[in-house]
Amino acid sequence: KAGVTQTPRYLIKTRGQQVTLSCSPISGHRSVSWYQQTPGQGLQFLFEYFSETQRNKGNFPGRFSGRQFSNSRSEMNVSTLELGDSALYLCASSLAGTGVADTQYFGPGTRLTVL
Amino acid sequence: AQSVTQLGSHVSVSEGALVLLRCNYSSSVPPYLFWYVQYPNQGLQLLLKYTTGATLVKGINGFEAEFKKSETSFHLTKPSAHMSDAAEYFCAVSPGSGNTGKLIFGQGTTLQVKP
Repeated sequence: KAGVTQTPRYLIKTRGQQVTLSCSPISGHRSVSWYQQTPGQGLQFLFEYFSETQRNKGNFPGRFSGRQFSNSRSEMNVSTLELGDSALYLCASSLAGTGVADTQYFGPGTRLTVL
Repeated sequence: AQSVTQLGSHVSVSEGALVLLRCNYSSSVPPYLFWYVQYPNQGLQLLLKYTTGATLVKGINGFEAEFKKSETSFHLTKPSAHMSDAAEYFCAVSPGSGNTGKLIFGQGTTLQVKP
């Protein structure tokens, strides 16, 4: 079974631009979570989608948004990019029956650099 | 609020030596605990997880962890280190009901294995 895939793997943008990252979960998984990883803040939860609905959200500004499609694929969007948005963005999928104890399977990440 | 503390941002061992990576958690509810490993330029791979039941959990690649409620700890061990174990290791806790799809991670421990 194919793992979680994320595209693109690398992205360079300039301040003020917007960016869209894509995540395809493992087949049959209905939950997709997004995380931001930086050297200073570590791994931080952005949001989780299940059945096309945002079910949980972390403490990030409204510039960070996401959506999920009927095939469980998910996208996240960051508008008005800031230098501090430079990070590795990780997507994880899970079966999400109960949600809290499900194993999350991570993709390789998208490395975003904001200049 | 739940939190995870990993003691030691860097751990160095010789090949063949015992690996011990420390993790303490804070949780107001029975915790679900995870250990993940991250190799350079890759996503996170699950090593093992504790939900309920047996407190000694065996994972992949010879790793195991013991859940100790009285000490609020979930330390990761491996009897004999291999060069291929060099990576960054993350302990994580699931915050529980109402927080679907969210993991709270520790700051990570980089394991160096010397020949």
